[in-house]
Order: sequence, then C-alpha cells, then structure tokens
Amino acid sequence: AQKVTQAQTEISVVEKEDVTLDCVYETRDTTYYLFWYKQPPSGELVFLIRRNSFDEQNEISGRYSWNFQKSTSSFNFTITASQVVDSAVYFCALSDSTGGFKTIFGAGTRLFVKA
Amino acid sequence: DTAVSQTPKYLVTQMGNDKSIKCEQNLGHDTMYWYKQDSKKFLKIMFSYNNKELIINETVPNRFSPKSPDKAHLNLHINSLELGDSAVYFCASSPMGQGATNEKLFFGSGTQLSVL
Repeated sequence: AQKVTQAQTEISVVEKEDVTLDCVYETRDTTYYLFWYKQPPSGELVFLIRRNSFDEQNEISGRYSWNFQKSTSSFNFTITASQVVDSAVYFCALSDSTGGFKTIFGAGTRLFVKA
Repeated sequence: DTAVSQTPKYLVTQMGNDKSIKCEQNLGHDTMYWYKQDSKKFLKIMFSYNNKELIINETVPNRFSPKSPDKAHLNLHINSLELGDSAVYFCASSPMGQGATNEKLFFGSGTQLSVL
C-alpha cells in the first residue's frame, strides 16, 4: 500500500538556521516517483522537485537540497540558511503504478522561520 | 496566461445547496484531478480524468460528481452540501497519460468552500 509519513507537524527555526524536513514513504512498486511541494501562506501549491526510484543521486538547488535513501525509504528535504520567505507548509508526495498513478501526499510539515 | 485556472476562488453557501466549481487548463495535459484539502491541510485525491475518461474515483460521497466535457476542463458539482464539505478544493493537471511516467502536478489556486 502507498503511504507517505511526515512525522514533523510543525518546525520553528530562526532565520539563517538550517532545517531538515523528514519524509518516509511506503510502496510495493520498484518504480515510483517522489515529490516535494511547497504551500506558502498565500495558499497555492508549488512544485519543488521530482525524483524517480532509480535515481538516488542527491540534488541541490540553491539553498534547497534533497537526500533520497532507498535503504531507509526516506526522501528528506534540507533548507540551508533559512529565510522568512521559506515559511510554508511543505508536502512530500508519492506516485506509483500500484496506486493507479495517483499522487498521494503526506500530512505536511509547517515550517515557521522567525526573523 | 494562467496554466490551471479554477473558479470561483471563494464559495460561501448554505447547507443543502448545490454548487459547482469549474477548472480549465491550457497546458495541453492529458490528465486532470480534483484534490480536497481539509482544515488540517491534509490533501486527498478525489477524482482523476484522463482524456475525458474517469480513471481514479476515490471513496467520495456520490453527492460529488465530476464532469469533463473535454480534456481541458474538469468541473466538480456538489449536491446537497453539508458542513463537512467545507474545505479548499484544488484542481490539478499533469501531462501523464496512462502508463506514462509520473509527472509533476500543476495546481490551480484553489477554491475555498464554506458551508454554513
């Protein structure tokens, strides 16, 4: 069965701190896709990254980095030198063929970055 | 210019009424979706259409009926609205066709439905 767990409900940091958002997933498929989306206070959902199950290479995009580890079924997201504008709800998501290619979302982690 | 547009942005209505939310995408995508986001921010898929054909129908009350007149439009009609229907409803699209790779979702800006 598909499942995405984001155990951290809320995280609060002070600006310039590094913060890691955890994501653990479950799937029976060998082919699957993992995503992160950001939902700022304005409410829209913004795509951040997509990773397929065959590509375990970590990725860095500016202050954002992602660590994909199949051995622990985790796809964690780190923000380096956080800024107030990073305050948002962050969702990890999973899509696989068992689930009929639907994308299911974790419960989200609300990140507060204080000035 | 907007890729996925849904209307209205806000919808306030009384219990028992029937209402519709419209969604249109100009990205040429094959697949469209409706997601419901509750007050705790939990996002749950409701329906998905691929080229006007229903491919995902989660456990949703049959008061909710999606309609896709063409692959660029997916509307959501809700009958006999209940208090528990209050939520933000997001339309989304993706270029994924059946059996294709799982691409990212492009979301509309959401419709905040409040049932009084």
